[in-house]
Amino acid sequence: EVQLVESGGGLIQPGGSLRLSCAASGFIVTNNYMSWVRQASGKGLEWVSIIYSGGGTDYADSVKGRFTISRDTSENTLYLQMNSLRADDTAVYYCARDGILGTARYDAFDLWGQGTKVTVSS
Amino acid sequence: DIQMTQSPSSLSASVGDRVTITCRASQTVTHYLNWYQQTPGKAPNLLIYAASALQSGVPSRFSGRGSGTEFTLTISGLQPEDFATYYCQQSYSAPPTFGQGTKVEIK
Repeated sequence: EVQLVESGGGLIQPGGSLRLSCAASGFIVTNNYMSWVRQASGKGLEWVSIIYSGGGTDYADSVKGRFTISRDTSENTLYLQMNSLRADDTAVYYCARDGILGTARYDAFDLWGQGTKVTVSS
Repeated sequence: DIQMTQSPSSLSASVGDRVTITCRASQTVTHYLNWYQQTPGKAPNLLIYAASALQSGVPSRFSGRGSGTEFTLTISGLQPEDFATYYCQQSYSAPPTFGQGTKVEIK
């Protein structure tokens, strides 16, 4: 079955660090663009970071310099290392596959995990 | 960054109704526009990509139109499972950005 399963969320104090994991099955992470998208409670969706199939990365301005996206080929797993956490990082974090669809190769988030909740609070 | 604005923010409709949601981009995104459905407590689910292409497994009552800066998602014959929040998202230029969402509620 093709799926993504996140883990690693929890309650963390401001300034702390947390690493999220996203285990993939049914496809190879390194052959795809993979992103993290977050959603604060009752709010909309916010893209956080992407790792391209070639290994390049990009980040939202709001997390640049604090978060690091990476992947493990042997584990077929995506990670998000979050440092210097702030209250406004509190959200459900989803990993998502940025699939290439159709003959014209448009991209869209075609596979999502169930999400893992991160709460930053003292 | 490209700003995506959806209207309305919420709407009430009945089973069987035809519903249309609009998404406007702050600059052209050509056809790089996707639509997602999210039910409470669940992850978003891709409905439409490339403005009008139906994702595999999505019922044909969902349809998308538009290009450039203005797009619509139409649900023809609303079903009970369609009461949800819908988001548009542009994939034309980085960073990918989402609309604020449109909540479709039961009248």
